[in-house]
Amino acid sequence: RKEVEQDPGPFNVPEGATVAFNCTYSNSASQSFFWYRQDCRKEPKLLMSVYSSGNEDGRFTAQLNRASQYISLLIRDSKLSDSATYLCVVNPTPYKLIFGSGTRLLVRP
Amino acid sequence: IAGITQAPTSQILAAGRRMTLRCTQDMRHNAMYWYRQDLGLGLRLIHYSNTAGTTGKGEVPDGYSVSRANTDDFPLTLASAVPSQTSVYFCASTRQGGDTEAFFGQGTRLTVV
Repeated sequence: RKEVEQDPGPFNVPEGATVAFNCTYSNSASQSFFWYRQDCRKEPKLLMSVYSSGNEDGRFTAQLNRASQYISLLIRDSKLSDSATYLCVVNPTPYKLIFGSGTRLLVRP
Repeated sequence: IAGITQAPTSQILAAGRRMTLRCTQDMRHNAMYWYRQDLGLGLRLIHYSNTAGTTGKGEVPDGYSVSRANTDDFPLTLASAVPSQTSVYFCASTRQGGDTEAFFGQGTRLTVV
């Protein structure tokens, strides 16, 4: 079983839609969680960290469920510029960042 | 401009040849990482270093070696390249461990023929 698993998509949604991605992780000792965004095989960039209490940054909301070992990302009011691959990242042990294979989002006009 | 620089940006390499991918950061980050990215498999950790002088193995270390002689540089060496090492390689760094934001280089696209 992969340490971090994501639905690869693609998710094809119209502008203005709300879309949610889930990610599961296998190591219950994991302490830190993140969502990264990657455009067209460019380098990944941090979108947001995921905190135990959940957190929001504009149209983006991230949540963590430790009991079920999954994290989620909700994007409201999708924009064309949101089209990208979203990577779930988990820190199971110090100095190891494990990436999911990514979920591709396509926002159409 | 502060950040991470990788070189070369792309390379075509004959199988069996030795190749070193360079990575330099000027943010004085303690931890550095090498990942490879293949279609459908995402980024997989090859090697990491939590501070100058120490390195560790990631998920897919076979066929690769690294060194960390100083804080800024973290080269990745393929001793004898094979076609299965064709991939996009990303170097990254974090200020401390994996609980802080990772900054990535622009990537090296390597093709082994």
